[in-house]
Amino acid sequence: QKEVEQDPGPLSVPEGAIVSLNCTYSNSAFQYFMWYRQYSRKGPELLMYTYSSGNKEDGRFTAQVDKSSKYISLFIRDSQPSDSATYLCAMTRMNTGNQFYFGTGTSLTVIP
Amino acid sequence: GAVVSQHPSWVICKSGTSVKIECRSLDFQATTMFWYRQFPKQSLMLMATSNEGSKATYEQGVEKDKFLINHASLTLSTLTVTSAHPEDSSFYICSAPTGTSGTGELFFGEGSRLTVL
Repeated sequence: QKEVEQDPGPLSVPEGAIVSLNCTYSNSAFQYFMWYRQYSRKGPELLMYTYSSGNKEDGRFTAQVDKSSKYISLFIRDSQPSDSATYLCAMTRMNTGNQFYFGTGTSLTVIP
Repeated sequence: GAVVSQHPSWVICKSGTSVKIECRSLDFQATTMFWYRQFPKQSLMLMATSNEGSKATYEQGVEKDKFLINHASLTLSTLTVTSAHPEDSSFYICSAPTGTSGTGELFFGEGSRLTVL
């Protein structure tokens, strides 16, 4: 079993829709959670960084962590064609020598 | 946010030559940096962990003599693809964490596209 599972999609939504992207994980020791956006032929860009359970909002993006269910989500409100990209989740825990664990990425297309 | 810069962004070379890619943390010090390889429409594949002042740690199946990694300072790591062949053509990306022991954010470089003719 992989440590982090992420549905690869692809996911297509109409412009203006609310997008929900999700990852599940198996290691309850994970404490720090990240979401990245990667455009084609570019390096991943950090969108959200959260610690422990709860919600964090930044503009149209909301990151949600449910540690009891080992489940994290990224919500995108009022989706735009420019949101079309691959979204990666990542997580880590303390005292691991800086090991980060990634999902495989979800490909999102927002249709105008 | 913190910035990680990668250079060159695109390189074309002849088969048999060596190519060096640089990864710099511009506004923070990074004792650790990571190197990845990514094929089109595929996920990141961790190649190696670069450690300042010590040898890099390579993932299983990655040839350390082929992909030389040097972490010369707290802000610079280099990946050299030696005697490159067409099968080495790929997108190479580096990343660096701002913290230690898994507590910091992880930032990525812009990536370097290598084409070997």
